[in-house]
Amino acid sequence: QQQVKQSPQSLIVQKGGISIINCAYENTAFDYFPWYQQFPGKGPALLIAIRPDVSEKKEGRFTISFNKSAKQFSLHIMDSQPGDSATYFCAAPLAGGTSYGKLTFGQGTILTVHP
Amino acid sequence: DVKVTQSSRYLVKRTGEKVFLECVQDMDHENMFWYRQDPGLGLRLIYFSYDVKMKEKGDIPEGYSVSREKKERFSLILESASTNQTSMYLCASSFRWTLVNTEAFFGQGTRLTVV
Repeated sequence: QQQVKQSPQSLIVQKGGISIINCAYENTAFDYFPWYQQFPGKGPALLIAIRPDVSEKKEGRFTISFNKSAKQFSLHIMDSQPGDSATYFCAAPLAGGTSYGKLTFGQGTILTVHP
Repeated sequence: DVKVTQSSRYLVKRTGEKVFLECVQDMDHENMFWYRQDPGLGLRLIYFSYDVKMKEKGDIPEGYSVSREKKERFSLILESASTNQTSMYLCASSFRWTLVNTEAFFGQGTRLTVV
């Protein structure tokens, strides 16, 4: 069974600090690695995603870094804000056959940013 | 705005009952998914449908079945509810994947309690 391993399970950061969440994956159909953000009482929503032609993608305060040889990718949140407090999920597409289009999610990281 | 609507936010059912969870999307997406969310376990795929009447088992299909008679609607069925099926259930949809269309859109979830 394909796996995506996410760490840490929870993270507490002071306002203005850097939040870092890591994920490691096994075999995937192709290199597409999204991060989803979930606020309490809501479903997850796409935050940022990286595609195979780049090793890093930045959108505002959010950056994904991708290390293909190590099969790892990470989310960095710069200048973390209390409004960033949420659960974050990394994901990767399963390899093979009609599973094309399915995502395997990590275990989730509960981020708390203290004011 | 894309909308994925789940029929109930909260459900309480008795052990042994047959339970139906309904999901409707309004974006003409080919793919629809049912995930289960549990603390520390992340989002786990129960079933996936890539077309009307087509379905594929996910990672944890035991005790569940699905139905997709129309493109916009995907139902999850608990044949005989058990207490270990108490969880948050999330429906999602997406276009058939290309290098451009990869985002999955989630509903707000159904919190099911089996007593």
